[in-house]
Amino acid sequence: NAGVMQNPRHLVRRRGQEARLRCSPMKGHSHVYWYRQLPEEGLKFMVYLQKENIIDESGMPKERFSAEFPKEGPSILRIQQVVRGDSAAYFCASSNFKDRNYGYTFGSGTRLTVV
Amino acid sequence: DAKTTQPPSMDCAEGRAANLPCNHSTISGNEYVYWYRQIHSQGPQYIIHGLKNNETNEMASLIITEDRKSSTLILPHATLRDTAVYYCIGTASKLTFGTGTRLQVTL
Repeated sequence: NAGVMQNPRHLVRRRGQEARLRCSPMKGHSHVYWYRQLPEEGLKFMVYLQKENIIDESGMPKERFSAEFPKEGPSILRIQQVVRGDSAAYFCASSNFKDRNYGYTFGSGTRLTVV
Repeated sequence: DAKTTQPPSMDCAEGRAANLPCNHSTISGNEYVYWYRQIHSQGPQYIIHGLKNNETNEMASLIITEDRKSSTLILPHATLRDTAVYYCIGTASKLTFGTGTRLQVTL
């Protein structure tokens, strides 16, 4: 049973390009959470999705960032027109139930570098 | 989510028990206490969680005070591989990470 799979592991983008980060949750998990970790900082919640629905996007920047979790396929975090400040590690976690008290499983993250 | 307070750093000798405290005086009745750790820049790793009762698993023990205002994570026999940042989180829904405790296990 594979864990949460994130790809790519490392992504380099030039300023102004688009970055697409993918997250495949654990088998049977229908809830996905995205977090961002800036260098030398803690993890910040970005968005919580269930299949085809955004449940909580209170941590998402208002512009350039979007997320989806389609009925089929992985969850995608999309960053348009990247800037140097978007350079960070992006982690995805998945769980089985909303508001249930199970430990979330995290992926290994995608390290985005904007040059 | 409950506001949690943890010491910024702690040291522990290898083979000894590491006791990591956490204050969560504002925790509400339906919020669980979760502990995660992050080794270097890897993804956070779930350790343990609890509501009222003390909990134990293969990784650690969690001791929650009767008034639920604080808890202690115990790593019974710390090894060098336990060096990490440990996060205590009080929540009934999404995880909100604070600054955690940087545990350094030394020889």
